[in-house]
Amino acid sequence: AQSVTQPDIHITVSEGASLELRCNYSYGATPYLFWYVQSPGQGLQLLLKYFSGDTLVQGIKGFEAEFKRSQSSFNLRKPSVHWSDAAEYFCAVGPGTYKYIFGTGTRLKVLA
Amino acid sequence: DVKVTQSSRYLVKRTGEKVFLECVQDMDHENMFWYRQDPGLGLRLIYFSYDVKMKEKGDIPEGYSVSREKKERFSLILESASTNQTSMYLCASSRGDTTQETQYFGPGTRLLVL
Repeated sequence: AQSVTQPDIHITVSEGASLELRCNYSYGATPYLFWYVQSPGQGLQLLLKYFSGDTLVQGIKGFEAEFKRSQSSFNLRKPSVHWSDAAEYFCAVGPGTYKYIFGTGTRLKVLA
Repeated sequence: DVKVTQSSRYLVKRTGEKVFLECVQDMDHENMFWYRQDPGLGLRLIYFSYDVKMKEKGDIPEGYSVSREKKERFSLILESASTNQTSMYLCASSRGDTTQETQYFGPGTRLLVL
């Protein structure tokens, strides 16, 4: 079955520290992969997406993600976290026409 | 910029009431979606529409219906609200007929059913 797993429900990092949020997927072919961010009380905003080509994808707000086919992973990274990055992050897979499958989200807390 | 608006940010309704959640997008997108977001469950697709008057069930359509009479507007209807429908509801829209297209989300409606 197609699925997306975000194994970390909560992550806490200090401001200025590096960040990696994990995302693993299960899908039979090359998926379309997305990372979205949801700030408190807001809708979801696209950070970045991968369809094909270069496996390292750059997004907005200084985020990047790397597609690793052998590990079925699409982890999100940022070299230096800012307090404004505190939010919930969702990984999503687009396995077919129209539909996404979303992970359960990782809530990021940033310590000053 | 794409703008997706939802008619209410917060709603409080009573069990058994008929509830309408409205979503409007201003970018002439073909596709529109309704999701439900619950802690620990992520986003789950309720219904989506790929054209006016066209709709398809998502993963959790029970207890919900939808209406799309105009391209820019997609309504979610709770025919008889129940307490287990207390949740955050997110509307989204996208262009075209492939999953490559980014989905743009509204700010959400937080519904409380008493």
